[in-house]
Amino acid sequence: GAVVSQHPSWVICKSGTSVKIECRSLDFQATTMFWYRQFPKQSLMLMATSNEGSKATYEQGVEKDKFLINHASLTLSTLTVTSAHPEDSSFYICSARDLDRGDEKLFFGSGTQLSVL
Amino acid sequence: SQQGEEDPQALSIQEGENATMNCSYKTSINNLQWYRQNSGRGLVHLILIRSNEREKHSGRLRVTLDTSKKSSSLLITASRAADTASYFCATEATGTYKYIFGTGTRLKVLA
Repeated sequence: GAVVSQHPSWVICKSGTSVKIECRSLDFQATTMFWYRQFPKQSLMLMATSNEGSKATYEQGVEKDKFLINHASLTLSTLTVTSAHPEDSSFYICSARDLDRGDEKLFFGSGTQLSVL
Repeated sequence: SQQGEEDPQALSIQEGENATMNCSYKTSINNLQWYRQNSGRGLVHLILIRSNEREKHSGRLRVTLDTSKKSSSLLITASRAADTASYFCATEATGTYKYIFGTGTRLKVLA
């Protein structure tokens, strides 16, 4: 099956710094990737849909200037948490679909645990 | 919120027993999928059922879908300790490519 690689798996940073998370599709081209946020023992909340070569589509309530998404190539999407604060601490997960194969299921990265001190 | 709801929120059973979890959603859908998540990890796809299907099997998994009630259930038969995880349903609303996840069921299978 398709593989999605996400890095880093965990990061600790000081309040006010920016953190970049990478999501790569290793063996397929992903024109669309999805970024989710998950709090402990809760569900995944869709943050935004990342579209290759165009602007991301953000869900209601998600600050686009806070969570910058770049999808510069067919295999890479990045999420940058700008000026991170403790309330941004969370588990961030990316996923992608292999639309070229008509595959409707989502392939997930292993997630990034962000802790902001 | 568009988020689906799952029940129970948590389920604890003995090894060998069956586990049933339910999912309700709010919009018309193209398909519904079930995913599994081990603690602190990404999600793994389990099974997909399309809106024109009523039941589907895969190994020890059985999924049903009732579009009139906007609900689905996942049955895991003969559970094993290794089935301990959180289980989420996800729906692709008609006309969109994005998936909305349910609230999840935390399953614990005791050896």
